[in-house]
Amino acid sequence: AQRVTQPEKLLSVFKGAPVELKCNYSYSGSPELFWYVQYSRQRLQLLLRHISRESIKGFTADLNKGETSFHLKKPFAQEEDSAMYYCALRGSSGNTPLVFGKGTRLSVIA
Amino acid sequence: GAVVSQHPSWVICKSGTSVKIECRSLDFQATTMFWYRQFPKQSLMLMATSNEGSKATYEQGVEKDKFLINHASLTLSTLTVTSAHPEDSSFYICSAWYENTQYFGPGTRLTVL
Repeated sequence: AQRVTQPEKLLSVFKGAPVELKCNYSYSGSPELFWYVQYSRQRLQLLLRHISRESIKGFTADLNKGETSFHLKKPFAQEEDSAMYYCALRGSSGNTPLVFGKGTRLSVIA
Repeated sequence: GAVVSQHPSWVICKSGTSVKIECRSLDFQATTMFWYRQFPKQSLMLMATSNEGSKATYEQGVEKDKFLINHASLTLSTLTVTSAHPEDSSFYICSAWYENTQYFGPGTRLTVL
């Protein structure tokens, strides 16, 4: 079964502090992993995906198949990073739905 | 990037009435669209997969006769909540894949009185 686990419901950090949002997944094959962000009163939008290996808004995430993890990291948090972050998995290519974790609310304190 | 729109953004209806929510892909074609439900401060729960020209695929526990889905064209899927009740009040979100990214609509807030 496909499953995405985000153990932290809420994460509060001070501005300038490092951030790590945890994500673990369960899938028997080779999944595609994504991080989506939802700012207040805005739609869900893609932050990054593991196959791109890119850095968006200072965030990075590395897929660790051994630990089945895809943690989201940023070295220095900014106030505008405060949002809801969802880790998601796609088990196979094509028009299949994403499986979402429960989400982690990041609050960056000035 | 691609844009997915939803209409209406907010609807209030009386208990027992039906409400139709539209989901459109504005600048791309989508043979498949997805409908999610999001409760306050919770994650998205997949309700169904909408397939153009064929029947929708519903997730376990989602009532097909309650949530009617029609995907009549490559750019439009509709979700009709039939005989709505207060427990159907929620935030409904649609999405579609385009170039390996799933794009989401802004959501429709349904309030059933």
